[in-house]
Amino acid sequence: GESVGLHLPTLSVQEGDNSIINCAYSNSASDYFIWYKQESGKGPQFIIDIRSNMDKRQGQRVTVLLNKTVKHLSLQIAATQPGDSAVYFCAENRGGGADGLTFGKGTHLIIQP
Amino acid sequence: GAGVSQTPSNKVTEKGKYVELRCDPISGHTALYWYRQSLGQGPEFLIYFQGTGAADDSGLPNDRFFAVRPEGSVSTLKIQRTERGDSAVYLCASRAGRADTQYFGPGTRLTVL
Repeated sequence: GESVGLHLPTLSVQEGDNSIINCAYSNSASDYFIWYKQESGKGPQFIIDIRSNMDKRQGQRVTVLLNKTVKHLSLQIAATQPGDSAVYFCAENRGGGADGLTFGKGTHLIIQP
Repeated sequence: GAGVSQTPSNKVTEKGKYVELRCDPISGHTALYWYRQSLGQGPEFLIYFQGTGAADDSGLPNDRFFAVRPEGSVSTLKIQRTERGDSAVYLCASRAGRADTQYFGPGTRLTVL
């Protein structure tokens, strides 16, 4: 099975509210994690990443939290906007010296007006 | 600068035919990846190039799939004797030598009739 998965396939939030998208991973060898945003008909777009020696990293309106104890990753989006509507994927490096990423199935974020 | 580009954007072929999909990475990026994304799923790793050589092809599903990168820049993914199950979006990503982040192209949507 997949080593990276998401808790919720669809998340609906009101415009202006904060969004939290969760992700569980199982590969203890992974030391690098990324969040991608994918709009319909487009390739994944890099949002933010974090290495395993960090617990939190902030970007513009986004924050990634990493809990290695429970192998959990989350993406927080502040003050969501209509343009945030997309599918969000967490991904991890394959670990063990192997390059390439392992992706989960994705969470569809829907912004309600 | 220009991002990763992929051609064609769409390819429709018949079962049993041969297809080639092209990827132009970001200029100067030494690492190049191919992924396959089925409907409603996250991308799945296929193959990774470092320079001209395939450093890891463990994700290729079978020997009908082959990829080359003869000059360390443009890459071609080749699929022989296509099957309906090969229908998917084929994504290419590239990464600068010392960086972690992979940047994706828009993908090629392959439909095998």
